[in-house]
Amino acid sequence: DGGITQSPKYLFRKEGQNVTLSCEQNLNHDAMYWYRQDPGQGLRLIYYSQIVNDFQKGDIAEGYSVSREKKESFPLTVTSAQKNPTAFYLCASSLAGGPNEQFFGPGTRLTVL
Amino acid sequence: AQKVTQAQTEISVVEKEDVTLDCVYETRDTTYYLFWYKQPPSGELVFLIRRNSFDEQNEISGRYSWNFQKSTSSFNFTITASQVVDSAVYFCALSERETSGSRLTFGEGTQLTVNP
Repeated sequence: DGGITQSPKYLFRKEGQNVTLSCEQNLNHDAMYWYRQDPGQGLRLIYYSQIVNDFQKGDIAEGYSVSREKKESFPLTVTSAQKNPTAFYLCASSLAGGPNEQFFGPGTRLTVL
Repeated sequence: AQKVTQAQTEISVVEKEDVTLDCVYETRDTTYYLFWYKQPPSGELVFLIRRNSFDEQNEISGRYSWNFQKSTSSFNFTITASQVVDSAVYFCALSERETSGSRLTFGEGTQLTVNP
């Protein structure tokens, strides 16, 4: 089955630690995205990548970093510089160009203690 | 800058009622695309529809229908004869054509609860 996987579903970390969220897709999509969702709010774009080895900052990139070494993978690192990292993180992918429909993963709920 | 407003934070209806979710957008671009997504309790967003700015024809898909009006910058979503399974958060989103590719700006979402 084609789709997007995110792991883990729930993640707990101590304050001050970096943490990496995984996102993998087998849809053969060129573009991938990371969003953050806070309770009662819409999705806000953190980073996106339209092609391997290239990515752009979204609206709230501070305190986050990404890499895009493979087409299938777009991991997100939440660094200790992120002031309020507790949130629900969603990864998505789409065909290149666009605007095209984005397909979403199941999300990772990160809680920083 | 582009912006999407979903003024209805929460809506509660009884099963079989019709319900309309409002979406108002702002953009300077003449070519843009509008989307609706559904987020059930599981958390994963599900695509419902995409509309481009040149196509104002209303669309119907089963119990779902969409009303796009450029004159009022609105793209409203109606569910006819609602069902409990329709309970979810619904997001309206906007993408401008230019260099943003598929980059989306989301509204804050409307939590729809359908009671039996």
